[in-house]
Amino acid sequence: SAVISQKPSRDICQRGTSLTIQCQVDSQVTMMFWYRQQPGQSLTLIATANQGSEATYESGFVIDKFPISRPNLTFSTLTVSNMSPEDSSIYLCSVEGFGNEQFFGPGTRLTVL
Amino acid sequence: QKEVEQNSGPLSVPEGAIASLNCTYSDRGSQSFFWYRQYSGKSPELIMFIYSNGDKEDGRFTAQLNKASQYVSLLIRDSQPSDSATYLCAVKAPSGSARQLTFGSGTQLTVLP
Repeated sequence: SAVISQKPSRDICQRGTSLTIQCQVDSQVTMMFWYRQQPGQSLTLIATANQGSEATYESGFVIDKFPISRPNLTFSTLTVSNMSPEDSSIYLCSVEGFGNEQFFGPGTRLTVL
Repeated sequence: QKEVEQNSGPLSVPEGAIASLNCTYSDRGSQSFFWYRQYSGKSPELIMFIYSNGDKEDGRFTAQLNKASQYVSLLIRDSQPSDSATYLCAVKAPSGSARQLTFGSGTQLTVLP
């Protein structure tokens, strides 16, 4: 499986600010995904990030709030914009392996005050 | 509408017993099924995947799939306290170019020493 790292691992931010989360993979992957896991909840897909094209967002998530970049096959960023306390969550990136399975990074724990 | 349902638990079993975790899904076209283990404060870790009807065994873990009943389960034999975690069922449907996983709400398992 791929080795996935995320930065930062955690952050505490003020309302109205933005945070960019980085996801780095140790091998080239076609598909990268960004998920959100709110406290005590399961995972919800935010968007799929493809290299060379715009991200595909799931219902309820918009590009203005969660802009995503995918400049190459090993890296992606997710920005959480104009944050509110409701954005406090764990944000996870994942990649798809050769056999359809997905592997997750360690996550970024975000607290918005 | 795609849905994946799990018994939320919590499920408690004594050490050495068999833990049985269940998952049903609504999209009959679903093709790939995954079980993730998530320890508190950690990201999900893939422990089993299954694509065909029947059983698939890996060490103490057995995944069972019944597509006719739209049912997938995970059995953990000889349960250990270290198995205490939340277990997430995830389903991937082949619809178009969709590559995302739909997650259940998770079952919290506690193995009592």
